[in-house]
Amino acid sequence: AAGVIQSPRHLIKEKRETATLKCYPIPRHDTVYWYQQGPGQDPQFLISFYEKMQSDKGSIPDRFSAQQFSDYHSELNMSSLELGDSALYFCASSPPNSRLGETQYFGPGTRLLVL
Amino acid sequence: QQQVKQSPQSLIVQKGGISIINCAYENTAFDYFPWYQQFPGKGPALLIAIRPDVSEKKEGRFTISFNKSAKQFSLHIMDSQPGDSATYFCAATQGGSEKLVFGKGTKLTVNP
Repeated sequence: AAGVIQSPRHLIKEKRETATLKCYPIPRHDTVYWYQQGPGQDPQFLISFYEKMQSDKGSIPDRFSAQQFSDYHSELNMSSLELGDSALYFCASSPPNSRLGETQYFGPGTRLLVL
Repeated sequence: QQQVKQSPQSLIVQKGGISIINCAYENTAFDYFPWYQQFPGKGPALLIAIRPDVSEKKEGRFTISFNKSAKQFSLHIMDSQPGDSATYFCAATQGGSEKLVFGKGTKLTVNP
């Protein structure tokens, strides 16, 4: 079965640089979520999109922005990167007709390292 | 403040034994409680989930027990296998919100 695709899988950036993470949800899934997971930590919700509109927002820094496109893929844009942004970034998707927040399927993640 | 408290942090079980992981919550608005399994370097995988109107749900070797009055829920893994060795996260969400709130995770090791 098709899963959530994230690219790139690994990314190394310098401080103050920008990064763009991409997420391709499971086909026909219409809701996308972004999470940040620090080393040894639980995933923290950043932001979500439903039908290309931002639907919920968590602890996402102002330096980060995201959007969902007409083909339902999503991009997380991170600017002025800081050392503390080094983490695993997960995208998840859920199918139509699922209740808000439920049945989230996670991608393999993008490991971002800021030097 | 951790909205979902998970214990233990780590757990070692012998092959064939029962693994039990517990979670507690305060927010009575939570109405969906999934469990995720995560292997190192991989994304969390949805294992099983329950809603408060059910006290128990079983899928294969995995069972969720839910105690609404105590605001607690637990994951039982029967006949634990070395391949079950992973980090397990409980989580919760509430109607109207899309974010999953995770526990801190339990690192399970199943010895052969």
